[in-house]
Amino acid sequence: GDSVTQMEGPVTLSEEAFLTINCTYTATGYPSLFWYVQYPGEGLQLLLKATKADDKGSNKGFEATYRKETTSFHLEKGSVQVSDSAVYFCALTPSGNTPLVFGKGTRLSVIA
Amino acid sequence: NAGVTQTPKFQVLKTGQSMTLQCAQDMNHNSMYWYRQDPGMGLRLIYYSASEGTTDKGEVPNGYNVSRLNKREFSLRLESAAPSQTSVYFCASSDTRKGTGELFFGEGSRLTVL
Repeated sequence: GDSVTQMEGPVTLSEEAFLTINCTYTATGYPSLFWYVQYPGEGLQLLLKATKADDKGSNKGFEATYRKETTSFHLEKGSVQVSDSAVYFCALTPSGNTPLVFGKGTRLSVIA
Repeated sequence: NAGVTQTPKFQVLKTGQSMTLQCAQDMNHNSMYWYRQDPGMGLRLIYYSASEGTTDKGEVPNGYNVSRLNKREFSLRLESAAPSQTSVYFCASSDTRKGTGELFFGEGSRLTVL
């Protein structure tokens, strides 16, 4: 079945460091891909998405590119801030009508 | 704009007790979902409702029942709680007619079963 694999955490970075969180997927067809973020004590909220190959999703300085050839959707940010400390989830849906399948999440801690 | 509202936010139960988690959305979404979040396991789908009047099992439905009361409300019931059901439960909704797949989440309900 469809699945998402993301790098295990926790990831600890200093402020202004470069961030990469790896995400690969297994799915039939052409799924839509998402990154969600969960700040402490809150629910998940959409960070960015891409719906077709080579699309780049971006938001709040974060970016991810849909790579069909490597079945990947890695999350990157050039300069992280303490306020980026959160859990990040990669997810996919085979179609807009099918429930999202989530990865296990990666906890990011950014220290000043 | 409230979005997705879950109640209660915290609950402690004893093994064998029953309870219902309530969820309501005010975005006129057609689909609603219940996920559970456990350390190291990510989010796993318990049940979902693609439209009013329909419900379907997700990845981990055992021990749970759901009711899509109307378009706005989707409840999750534990008939006889077990310690393995200690978790954080999230309700979510989406407008699948738009075809984007985006989910909108509530703030979560933390359940502890002793």
